[in-house]
Amino acid sequence: AQKITQTQPGMFVQEKEAVTLDCTYDTSDQSYGLFWYKQPSSGEMIFLIYQGSYDEQNATEGRYSLNFQKARKSANLVISASQLGDSAMYFCAMREGLHGNNRLAFGKGNQVVVIP
Amino acid sequence: NAGVMQNPRHLVRRRGQEARLRCSPMKGHSHVYWYRQLPEEGLKFMVYLQKENIIDESGMPKERFSAEFPKEGPSILRIQQVVRGDSAAYFCASSPNPGTGGESSKNIQYFGAGTRLSVL
Repeated sequence: AQKITQTQPGMFVQEKEAVTLDCTYDTSDQSYGLFWYKQPSSGEMIFLIYQGSYDEQNATEGRYSLNFQKARKSANLVISASQLGDSAMYFCAMREGLHGNNRLAFGKGNQVVVIP
Repeated sequence: NAGVMQNPRHLVRRRGQEARLRCSPMKGHSHVYWYRQLPEEGLKFMVYLQKENIIDESGMPKERFSAEFPKEGPSILRIQQVVRGDSAAYFCASSPNPGTGGESSKNIQYFGAGTRLSVL
């Protein structure tokens, strides 16, 4: 069963506008971590933001924020004031359990193209 | 402070040859992970290692694939007798010991740039 679901088709975003990327997850664990990574066309995987399941506040890192809705099991990424360099694939990932099981399960990604 | 270093960036092999992919973790990180990414897909977990120990290899194919993280030197992912279906991007990630508390408790995995393996 798929643990991370990212189903949006490719998105075109106007420069300086905000964009929201959807991510839903499936777990029966009480303790887990949620991550977003960016993969530009050059191919590397860049860590963006982390949300722990027990964190009461939504995570923020600069222009990135995570809209965490635990009851709905969603962890949407919001990119504010889009820049041309934000054009990339964005992957949502989950780590289940507190320690021991450290592997990440990834979604299939969201493609974002920022247009001037 | 160097990040996760993977080499080579690109590797071309003929069917039946061996592929060796190397990964040096970030300074201070003792945990290494290998993932595989097929075209148009997200990353799939393969194996999790600490120095001289394989902790979780539940994602490794049962045959031809092996991984090690020796006491000295980089982690190695070895694929013997490669086939066309092994063509993919292979990513290594590292993280600090999650038991050390503070920021480390998030156990964020930082990735290298990947090795693109092409099997002819």
